[in-house]
Amino acid sequence: AQSVTQLGSHVSVSEGALVLLRCNYSSSVPPYLFWYVQYPNQGLQLLLKYTSAATLVKGINGFEAEFKKSETSFHLTKPSAHMSDAAEYFCAVSDDYGGSQGNLIFGKGTKLSVKP
Amino acid sequence: EAGVAQSPRYKIIEKRQSVAFWCNPISGHATLYWYQQILGQGPKLLIQFQNNGVVDDSQLPKDRFSAERLKGVDSTLKIQPAKLEDSAVYLCASSLVREQYFGPGTRLTVT
Repeated sequence: AQSVTQLGSHVSVSEGALVLLRCNYSSSVPPYLFWYVQYPNQGLQLLLKYTSAATLVKGINGFEAEFKKSETSFHLTKPSAHMSDAAEYFCAVSDDYGGSQGNLIFGKGTKLSVKP
Repeated sequence: EAGVAQSPRYKIIEKRQSVAFWCNPISGHATLYWYQQILGQGPKLLIQFQNNGVVDDSQLPKDRFSAERLKGVDSTLKIQPAKLEDSAVYLCASSLVREQYFGPGTRLTVT
């Protein structure tokens, strides 16, 4: 069975500092991995996805994530935090490209706070 | 392109009452999902439709939850009777082939 573990339910950084949100996965098949962001009272928005094409994936809003098979990790990073990055971030795994053949299994989420 | 629409956005009911949520997916998206997101947790899939057929409802509490997708477009999720533990945000998502696009959700509070 697939699962996702997000380390740290709450991360706080200063504006301009590095953002690092951790995600480890478990999957018996080559996984597809996703990061979603959720702003208050809104649905989830896809930040980026790993589909085995490249291990370093670039997404929207300056975020990127690196797939490391040996560490079963898919950590999300951003070099310089902005106040608008404050939101909740979810890592998800699928045995399919998130489409009609597979379901998304989500982690519990990490709430990112950005201090001025 | 219009996104996934959901209504109502908020609902407060008493336990043992019934409630229904509506979802209108992105036009042309064949696959529709309903997720339950309890406070402090990630979304959990309740049911997945492909057109108007059910693909996966293994995590749907069928004694109280039901869902339908008439004509392969709009969908309704119903809870009857509601329990306190049903308090959550109910998210609808749709996909054509690849990424899932999420609606804003319905926040349900059961008192």
